[in-house]
Order: sequence, then structure tokens, then C-alpha cells
Amino acid sequence: EAGVAQSPRYKIIEKRQSVAFWCNPISGHATLYWYQQILGQGPKLLIQFQNNGVVDDSQLPKDRFSAERLKGVDSTLKIQPAKLEDSAVYLCASSSHPASSTEAFFGQGTRLTVV
Amino acid sequence: AQSVTQLGSHVSVSEGALVLLRCNYSSSVPPYLFWYVQYPNQGLQLLLKYTTGATLVKGINGFEAEFKKSETSFHLTKPSAHMSDAAEYFCAVSGTGNQFYFGTGTSLTVIP
Repeated sequence: EAGVAQSPRYKIIEKRQSVAFWCNPISGHATLYWYQQILGQGPKLLIQFQNNGVVDDSQLPKDRFSAERLKGVDSTLKIQPAKLEDSAVYLCASSSHPASSTEAFFGQGTRLTVV
Repeated sequence: AQSVTQLGSHVSVSEGALVLLRCNYSSSVPPYLFWYVQYPNQGLQLLLKYTTGATLVKGINGFEAEFKKSETSFHLTKPSAHMSDAAEYFCAVSGTGNQFYFGTGTSLTVIP
């Protein structure tokens, strides 16, 4: 079974530029998450999708971050314009069921450096 | 609301020694608890999880954790550390709607 795929693995941009990350979840997984992991910290949930609907985006900085999940499969996370403090690893995860007992499977992440 | 606290951001053990990584949780509902491991430049991999039933949970790579409701703890242990266990370990609690709340992580160093 293929895992969660993310691209690119690494990205370096200048502040005020825009960037987009792509995620392909495990086939059949209805729930998709985007997490931000700043160096030395645990992952922080940015947004959670159930199929193509948003379940929780309360911690997404909506003035600069946006995410979509068209057709309930792949997802894209965008930052525009980027700030220095957005430097982090962006992790995508998916799970098969919205039940709280179901674990999430993580991709390798995209490491973003804003200079 | 759900949250976890991991005591000790860095833990060092000798190869062959006991590994003990601490996690305490706060939850207003019966918790579902998870331990994930993260190797450098990798995503998070599930080690084990507690949902219901037996409070001693066994996971991959020889790790296990015990859910203690009275102590609100879910500490991770391994009897004998191996060099390959060096990584970052995250405790997480799952809340309503299957949202995961992660601790700040514990970096495990194994000394040869």
C-alpha cells in the first residue's frame, strides 16, 4: 500500500513570495490533515478535511494560508505572501475514518525555508 | 479540551539500558493516546496506540506503553535501547473529530 505522498521535499523562497505544497493521501482515506512543525516543536494542526469539506481550520492563518481538497483526494496548501516565521516542515497526514481511535499516517513532509 | 505534556525534551540512555519517555495527558473525554516516532527528515510513524481494553499496549520495535488513568499518564518504555532508537518521539491525544494534539516531543539519544 502506497503511503502519503508529498511534494516538493524542500523549498527555499524569499519572504513575500508565494509557495504551494501538494499532498496525495493513502487511497480511500477520507480524512486529510495539514500540520505545521516548527523546529523543536510538535506538529500543529492547520486544517482538517473530511472528504472535500473542511472540518477544522481554526488555526490556519487565513490572511496568508489557503488549502483545498478538490474531489476529496489530493490537497494543496498555499502560502501567499510568505513570512520568515513560516519556515517549518509542513506535514500532510491521512486517516481512514473520522473516529478518534483511528491513527493518522504521515507523509515525509515539505521543509520550507523563508529567507 | 485535550492536550499532552512531554516531560524532558532530551533524554540520553546508554545502549542496552531502559528507555523511559514520559507523557501526561489532559482530556475531558476518555482519551485515545498515541506515540509516534520521527527520524531525521522523515514524517511521523506510529509506534503504538491506546484506544480501549488492555492498558498495557505493545507496539513496534519493542516499545510499549501503559495507560494509567489515575495518573493521567501514558509513558513509553523499552527494556533495552538500541542505537537505531535514536529519534524524536511524540505523544499525542486524539480529540473529538479525530483531531490530534501533539506534545513538544522528546529527543532520544543512545550512547554506545
